[in-house]
Amino acid sequence: GAGVSQSPRYKVAKRGQDVALRCDPISGHVSLFWYQQALGQGPEFLTYFQNEAQLDKSGLPSDRFFAERPEGSVSTLKIQRTQQEDSAVYLCASSLGVGSLNGYTFGSGTRLTVV
Amino acid sequence: GESVGLHLPTLSVQEGDNSIINCAYSNSASDYFIWYKQESGKGPQFIIDIRSNMDKRQGQRVTVLLNKTVKHLSLQIAATQPGDSAVYFCAETDFTGNQFYFGTGTSLTVIP
Repeated sequence: GAGVSQSPRYKVAKRGQDVALRCDPISGHVSLFWYQQALGQGPEFLTYFQNEAQLDKSGLPSDRFFAERPEGSVSTLKIQRTQQEDSAVYLCASSLGVGSLNGYTFGSGTRLTVV
Repeated sequence: GESVGLHLPTLSVQEGDNSIINCAYSNSASDYFIWYKQESGKGPQFIIDIRSNMDKRQGQRVTVLLNKTVKHLSLQIAATQPGDSAVYFCAETDFTGNQFYFGTGTSLTVIP
């Protein structure tokens, strides 16, 4: 497709449940980024991939959060033992080159609600 | 850590008027700034960017001004239209571009 695709669009999880969020970047985009956006806040950086290599995971809030991009295209963000504070919109972005100096293209996000 | 904040959380303007959205940043090492527009249920959409070696950049109906002395960024929208209603974020990054730091956002409402 022409844009960054994320699925599912909405996810309701019971507290303690594991979830997996998928991101399909724009074809050929080298860099992929995950952000967490709490209600009424700006996105906050979680992690960054260059091809299949995870170069920066400094923003992951705990060891319950795990991201992968095994073949350098599709990425999955996994959250184990979800808690209510994990409720947020999870945004994925990709860019053509290394880093993001050409500007990201964001997906529409996955809204996660933990009940 | 870096801090990027916006002065006004909400802004209402009449259709046809000009809008100005302000942003303060704290990291003097930031090299690149972007304004994003985010509509409800969508991801942030790129509007305009500016590098730290510039103080002004113009696009179609939008202008970004950068004042490095006081670490201030502004977005000017000319002849604001109802379709401009959204939340606007400024974001900054260093020369690596590996991660952006976003402000809280300003909600712009255009009154027809």
